[in-house]
Amino acid sequence: DAGVIQSPRHEVTEMGQEVTLRCKPISGHDYLFWYRQTMMRGLELLIYFNNNVPIDDSGMPEDRFSAKMPNASFSTLKIQPSEPRDSAVYFCASSSTNYGYTFGSGTRLTVV
Amino acid sequence: RKEVEQDPGPFNVPEGATVAFNCTYSNSASQSFFWYRQDCRKEPKLLMSVYSSGNEDGRFTAQLNRASQYISLLIRDSKLSDSATYLCVVISYNQGGKLIFGQGTELSVKP
Repeated sequence: DAGVIQSPRHEVTEMGQEVTLRCKPISGHDYLFWYRQTMMRGLELLIYFNNNVPIDDSGMPEDRFSAKMPNASFSTLKIQPSEPRDSAVYFCASSSTNYGYTFGSGTRLTVV
Repeated sequence: RKEVEQDPGPFNVPEGATVAFNCTYSNSASQSFFWYRQDCRKEPKLLMSVYSSGNEDGRFTAQLNRASQYISLLIRDSKLSDSATYLCVVISYNQGGKLIFGQGTELSVKP
């Protein structure tokens, strides 16, 4: 199994641009999580899905952030418009009731 | 108050030392507990689960005190390769089973 796959690994964009982060969970996992990590705030849960349905999006910072999971093998996290304070590492993780949580390698986002 | 709080660190110890990390959680309904390890610029990876009776995995020992809502991790005979950030993680199933992370404690093992 290739594990949780995230793309891109690095993204540098200008303030105001749209950013889309992508995640492919491990096959058979029915939970998918998006986390953000910064030095100041550590790891924060943004949103999670169960069977492709968003369950809790209370961690999404504001309306500029949106996430979708159109099918069991793909999810996106979109920021529009991006701001410098969105600079962070964004992790995707997947799990199921029978398996532990596995994180992707993360996307390092820099908004200039 | 954060849901999961850890020693701020960093901990700088010599090789061979024993080091202990502590963690407290605020949600008494929390049901599952873990220690994750995160290397610089990498993703968190599961180090070990924490069971009520305490558990050991080689040089690593984890303890849970539900009454005090306290978790610990003890590393014996520390190695250079143990240098990393250690994250205390809690799952409360009344919050849908999501992982709640502590801020992490940085460990640096020196020769």
